[in-house]
Amino acid sequence: AQSVTQPDIHITVSEGASLELRCNYSYGATPYLFWYVQSPGQGLQLLLKYFSGDTLVQGIKGFEAEFKRSQSSFNLRKPSVHWSDAAEYFCAVMNTGFQKLVFGTGTRLLVSP
Amino acid sequence: AAGVIQSPRHLIKEKRETATLKCYPIPRHDTVYWYQQGPGQDPQFLISFYEKMQSDKGSIPDRFSAQQFSDYHSELNMSSLELGDSALYFCASRGVSGNTIYFGEGSWLTVV
Repeated sequence: AQSVTQPDIHITVSEGASLELRCNYSYGATPYLFWYVQSPGQGLQLLLKYFSGDTLVQGIKGFEAEFKRSQSSFNLRKPSVHWSDAAEYFCAVMNTGFQKLVFGTGTRLLVSP
Repeated sequence: AAGVIQSPRHLIKEKRETATLKCYPIPRHDTVYWYQQGPGQDPQFLISFYEKMQSDKGSIPDRFSAQQFSDYHSELNMSSLELGDSALYFCASRGVSGNTIYFGEGSWLTVV
């Protein structure tokens, strides 16, 4: 069964600074990987996804993520954080049969002035 | 573009009552997923349907049941509600041969 680990529960970044959120997955086959963002009391918005091909994927809002098979990682990055990026970020892995999407425990991003 | 529609958006029920949540997937999407997100928790997979058949089952209590209808909408029925069932319930859908799952805005269930 697939699983996801997000080792950082909270991260605080200064506005304008770069950001990297860590995600490690466990899955026997080639994983389908996603990053979602959730503002308080809101739904889940898809930032980006990886299925195959180029291991560096671009998403919305200036986010990108890099798939590293050797490290079983799919870290999310942004070169310059804006105050509006403060939210909860979830990494998720889907099995190849698309039966279910498994989420990590999330990382809460706080942006300081 | 049409999104996943969930209703009701907010629901308050008393313990031991029954609640039904509805999900209308994006048009031409044939797969529906249900998730439960407790306060401060990550979304937990409950159940999924593909072409009106159950596809996979997660940590869904026996008090809960769900189905997908011929028009592909889905309903999650929750009986004998407990305080711990208070959560945000998400529905998501995926299209034929699609590789992206789209989430609805969620239904807030409060059990008092």
